[in-house]
Amino acid sequence: AQKVTQAQTEISVVEKEDVTLDCVYETRDTTYYLFWYKQPPSGELVFLIRRNSFDEQNEISGRYSWNFQKSTSSFNFTITASQVVDSAVYFCALSGLTGANSKLTFGKGITLSVRP
Amino acid sequence: EAGVVQSPRYKIIEKKQPVAFWCNPISGHNTLYWYLQNLGQGPELLIRYENEEAVDDSQLPKDRFSAERLKGVDSTLKIQPAELGDSAVYLCASSRGSAFGATQYFGPGTRLTVL
Repeated sequence: AQKVTQAQTEISVVEKEDVTLDCVYETRDTTYYLFWYKQPPSGELVFLIRRNSFDEQNEISGRYSWNFQKSTSSFNFTITASQVVDSAVYFCALSGLTGANSKLTFGKGITLSVRP
Repeated sequence: EAGVVQSPRYKIIEKKQPVAFWCNPISGHNTLYWYLQNLGQGPELLIRYENEEAVDDSQLPKDRFSAERLKGVDSTLKIQPAELGDSAVYLCASSRGSAFGATQYFGPGTRLTVL
């Protein structure tokens, strides 16, 4: 069975600090997708990024960047110059290719608090 | 483009009562998902529909939970009777197709409290 581990449960930073959220995954599929979602206090999960297992290029979108490393089965998320509005729970998720793995498997989430 | 709509946002009931949640997916999205999210956990899939067909309901506790998507658009998830352990957030999501890796877009959820 596939698994997503987000070892950090809570992170607290001061505004303008950089912060990295870790995600480690396990799957037997050689083809899979990885995702990050943000869940603000309003409750709705907001899609941030999707990455195919064959694309190991890092991605940058504004203050957000993602580092995908197949060798360590990690897909880490960095927020540069954090802002109070970044405070939320962040989920990493995995979708494999085959059978039961094809459903989206989430980690337990990381609660990020950005203090002014 | 309107997002996934869910109602109600909050529901408080007593145990053994029935409860229903409604979801309207993003227009054009033929795949609809219901998830359960317990406090401090990530969402877990309950059921997935492709159009009006339930293609994965292996995680749905069928003794008390039921779902329908009669016309392949909006959907209803029902619990009867509710138990204390059903207190959680029920999330609906939709995607354009169910192809491998399709991005799922989520609604705001319904927070259920069973007393």
